[in-house]
Amino acid sequence: NAGVTQTPKFQVLKTGQSMTLQCAQDMNHEYMSWYRQDPGMGLRLIHYSVGAGITDQGEVPNGYNVSRSTTEDFPLRLLSAAPSQTSVYFCASSPPRGLQDPNTEAFFGQGTRLTVV
Amino acid sequence: AQTVTQSQPEMSVQEAETVTLSCTYDTSESDYYLFWYKQPPSRQMILVIRQEAYKQQNATENRFSVNFQKAAKSFSLKISDSQLGDAAMYFCAYRSGLYFGNEKLTFGTGTRLTIIP
Repeated sequence: NAGVTQTPKFQVLKTGQSMTLQCAQDMNHEYMSWYRQDPGMGLRLIHYSVGAGITDQGEVPNGYNVSRSTTEDFPLRLLSAAPSQTSVYFCASSPPRGLQDPNTEAFFGQGTRLTVV
Repeated sequence: AQTVTQSQPEMSVQEAETVTLSCTYDTSESDYYLFWYKQPPSRQMILVIRQEAYKQQNATENRFSVNFQKAAKSFSLKISDSQLGDAAMYFCAYRSGLYFGNEKLTFGTGTRLTIIP
């Protein structure tokens, strides 16, 4: 009964370093998304995927890269970390509308607190 | 593009009293879903309540209820008999009902609710 699992929970990076935030879900959801949460700005969409092999940009995609090779996994890559990327990152998954319950909610991971120094 | 506005950055309420959190949104769509998420200090995003736009009846979940005014594009959350465990950040969120476009959520900036013992 894992749901959405994000790793790591905390990370400190130096400016210019790269890293990958991992996200895995075991609910066979087609939709997966990455959001960042900053004080006073709510959650903003970085990238999303509607299925394996299909990704698209959200509201704030610059500096991030994603791929979706399997239904279960949706990693987020920071190519060259910058202090502006200090944030809390959330991965979410959901089934598409129309399957089972059309009013489907999104399920969120526990979040990753990233600090770039 | 849809927008969600929460105009109350912070709210406080005495324990056992009732509090209402405001949310307005802007959309040209007629089919959509609205959600309230709770984020306690643990960072976990917890779905509190949801409303389908095509339903006139306001959603209710135990002590939580909404006042959904479709014409006014307003979606407020009422918490009755406030408890210490209700202290959290609350986010209002919008999800399109279109087949293409319902893969992501648009969030408001959040309202931090404090419960006064």
